[in-house]
Amino acid sequence: QVQLQESGPGLVKPSETLSLTCTVSGDSISSYYWSWIRQPPGKGLEWIAYIYYTGRTNYNPSLKSRVTTSLDTSKNQFSLKLSSVTAADTAVYYCARYYYDDTTYPHEYYFDYWGQGTLVTVSS
Amino acid sequence: DIQMTQSPSSLSASVGDRVTITCRASQSITGYLNWYQQKPGKAPNLLIYAESRLQSGVPSRFSGSGSGTDFTLTISSLQSEDFATYYCQQCYSNPTFGQGTKVEIK
Repeated sequence: QVQLQESGPGLVKPSETLSLTCTVSGDSISSYYWSWIRQPPGKGLEWIAYIYYTGRTNYNPSLKSRVTTSLDTSKNQFSLKLSSVTAADTAVYYCARYYYDDTTYPHEYYFDYWGQGTLVTVSS
Repeated sequence: DIQMTQSPSSLSASVGDRVTITCRASQSITGYLNWYQQKPGKAPNLLIYAESRLQSGVPSRFSGSGSGTDFTLTISSLQSEDFATYYCQQCYSNPTFGQGTKVEIK
């Protein structure tokens, strides 16, 4: 059974950098895509980024200038950094596996395993 | 980015009702459409992928259909555990989600 667990500070000051780590168990991160998604309180879901096991990344254009993701295959972890945060970045942050199978038609891409989520509040 | 618009934003229904939620994409996404269920305080749970394929372990009362830009999630007979918020998500390009449809008890 694949499990993901987010970790990191629950409170970040405005203008500082939000840093989260996702630890994966039950699967190697040396396959598939690994993603970050957030959900402001009472609102919908917003995809932030994903990283492939090769290190290839893709970012939401609206956040691209502030986001960095990375992998640590030795620890089976991947990480998110979001710089220059404001109150608008207050949200529950989820890590998730973005499964893909491009042998089918249509190709299959979906978020099948999620962490429980961690609330990050931006406040002084 | 491809915009996803769900309707309705919320609905009230009774146990046993047939419920339909629609999702429209701002451009054709063929069958690159997934559906998730989210309960309060929990992560979303995948129900349907590739427009109509049922995720393992999901009850058969859930089904998906559609094509091009218009898609539908149907719950054939609503159960008490189905009261939740439902999201569509396109995977044709950078992932984007609909705004959600909250299914409430009538």
